[in-house]
Amino acid sequence: RKEVEQDPGPFNVPEGATVAFNCTYSNSASQSFFWYRQDCRKEPKLLMSVYSSGNEDGRFTAQLNRASQYISLLIRDSKLSDSATYLCVVNARRSQGNLIFGKGTKLSVKP
Amino acid sequence: NAGVTQTPKFQVLKTGQSMTLQCAQDMNHEYMSWYRQDPGMGLRLIHYSVGAGITDQGEVPNGYNVSRSTTEDFPLRLLSAAPSQTSVYFCASSGNRALYGYTFGSGTRLTVV
Repeated sequence: RKEVEQDPGPFNVPEGATVAFNCTYSNSASQSFFWYRQDCRKEPKLLMSVYSSGNEDGRFTAQLNRASQYISLLIRDSKLSDSATYLCVVNARRSQGNLIFGKGTKLSVKP
Repeated sequence: NAGVTQTPKFQVLKTGQSMTLQCAQDMNHEYMSWYRQDPGMGLRLIHYSVGAGITDQGEVPNGYNVSRSTTEDFPLRLLSAAPSQTSVYFCASSGNRALYGYTFGSGTRLTVV
């Protein structure tokens, strides 16, 4: 099992749609979880951290299920500007500073 | 406040040449990392550091060296460039033991011919 696995995508959705991204991780000892977004030919940028109780930031909601080793990101009322690749990130077993990235899921929001 | 600065932004090397990719951060972050990103492979960790004088290998360290003599700088050295090292290289830094994720530089696009 790969350390961090994501839906392969791409997801093509109309403006205003709700879209969900899923991610599983293999290291049950992981303590830190994040969603990043990456625009074409740009650096990854932190979208939000993911907490055990779940957390929300505007139209974005992240959930963590430690028992299932599963992370999700929900985007409501999607905008054209949400088009990007979304990366699931988990810290590795050996070190808090060693972050493992999923391969990402590409989202295209169409008018 | 510049954040994480990488130089150069673009570089073409011949096979066998050596070079250093520079990375500097002005946020007093203790954690710094180097990643490479290739199509279909995602971001893979090359080397990382949890403080000045401390470095460790990541997933793909072969062919690369690092050192961390100061908190601010974390250069990545390619010892003898190979076409397989053609990639986009990202440097990143984090404070608070990376509990809040990494901040990335804008990347270096390296082509080895």
